[in-house]
Amino acid sequence: GAGVSQSPRYKVAKRGQDVALRCDPISGHVSLFWYQQALGQGPEFLTYFQNEAQLDKSGLPSDRFFAERPEGSVSTLKIQRTQQEDSAVYLCASSLVPGRYGYTFGSGTRLTVV
Amino acid sequence: AQKVTQAQTEISVVEKEDVTLDCVYETRDTTYYLFWYKQPPSGELVFLIRRNSFDEQNEISGRYSWNFQKSTSSFNFTITASQVVDSAVYFCALWGADGLTFGKGTHLIIQP
Repeated sequence: GAGVSQSPRYKVAKRGQDVALRCDPISGHVSLFWYQQALGQGPEFLTYFQNEAQLDKSGLPSDRFFAERPEGSVSTLKIQRTQQEDSAVYLCASSLVPGRYGYTFGSGTRLTVV
Repeated sequence: AQKVTQAQTEISVVEKEDVTLDCVYETRDTTYYLFWYKQPPSGELVFLIRRNSFDEQNEISGRYSWNFQKSTSSFNFTITASQVVDSAVYFCALWGADGLTFGKGTHLIIQP
């Protein structure tokens, strides 16, 4: 597609519920990133894929967070047993070559845990 | 670890004024890239500019200009003759060995 597409745009979850956030990167972009942006803060790195391989997951805040990209294109970020502190905007970005060409970001999914 | 500091949390100016957004970074890498992104209320991060660490030439794009100074580890962003549509949160970011690291952002308010 022309840009990075994320769905849903908004998600309200009850505490304890599991959620799945989807990212459809730009066609041909091998690198895919997930970021978490709390209110009034800058995006914080969660995890990085190159094709289907998850090369870095050092930013995932707990083992309740899990990401996958099984076919090297669409990625899903799953949060199990959501808690209020998980409320944030989750941004997905893709890139041809990280750094050199910059990242293209999606519009994000705003998750609110009530 | 690399770090990006945007000391200005919020700036408010009247339309047509010039405004400079500050960015200071820390890194041990010799090769790195610096970015500015704009985040309007819609939430999407819009890429504005990328500079590599070996290119200290300043850049001008219309009303936007960037001043990269390695000696002070700064990459400042100036908007000339600001417009209401420039109102947004602006993020400076650094890409290095630790990936892409963002500052906390500067909320720019342009009043008519």
